[in-house]
Amino acid sequence: DSGVTQTPKHLITATGQRVTLRCSPRSGDLSVYWYQQSLDQGLQFLIQYYNGEERAKGNILERFSAQQFPDLHSELNLSSLELGDSALYFCASSVAGPNTEAFFGQGTRLTVV
Amino acid sequence: AQKVTQAQTEISVVEKEDVTLDCVYETRDTTYYLFWYKQPPSGELVFLIRRNSFDEQNEISGRYSWNFQKSTSSFNFTITASQVVDSAVYFCVPKTGANSKLTFGKGITLSVRP
Repeated sequence: DSGVTQTPKHLITATGQRVTLRCSPRSGDLSVYWYQQSLDQGLQFLIQYYNGEERAKGNILERFSAQQFPDLHSELNLSSLELGDSALYFCASSVAGPNTEAFFGQGTRLTVV
Repeated sequence: AQKVTQAQTEISVVEKEDVTLDCVYETRDTTYYLFWYKQPPSGELVFLIRRNSFDEQNEISGRYSWNFQKSTSSFNFTITASQVVDSAVYFCVPKTGANSKLTFGKGITLSVRP
């Protein structure tokens, strides 16, 4: 158990819909990262938050947004969903500093039908 | 620019064989960090080890060992007496800069057959 909790574990929704994925980081971790893993794209970094502020942005679509709340949990919002958004979405957390490993949650498997 | 090369894409071994997963990291940065992660068929991403660029100490943890050599830019991972449960995708992942993200490549798919 990594200590990072993601909910829900599975999500099936229709095209055009909006969903919210939730992540609770490990206790004491200030950084939260979101990744998308699909068969064709591999593991893609989406966005990072550090103590409530956006720190780095990757290949995140405009239809996607995220935020980190004062209690440090984070949410990833995916809207106007398309079939191609079907993927495994991971959240990871780490303490501050570049020399620290990130611990990943079990992921949310999103299926868009 | 930095570059991680995991030249092996797929490795298949028979249980109890030793197997080494290669990772070569090229960068002009003098300070960097390398991580190994494992993703078994169940899907979760598991952190295995971190190594700093200024620490060339090799490490052994049970059946796992890591050999980091800055001179050759290699950070190789060896599994001794492999088991079926070692079947997974293994990622060698670099990180530089403050609070920077981990950038994953395609990894190495290891299949251990009984």
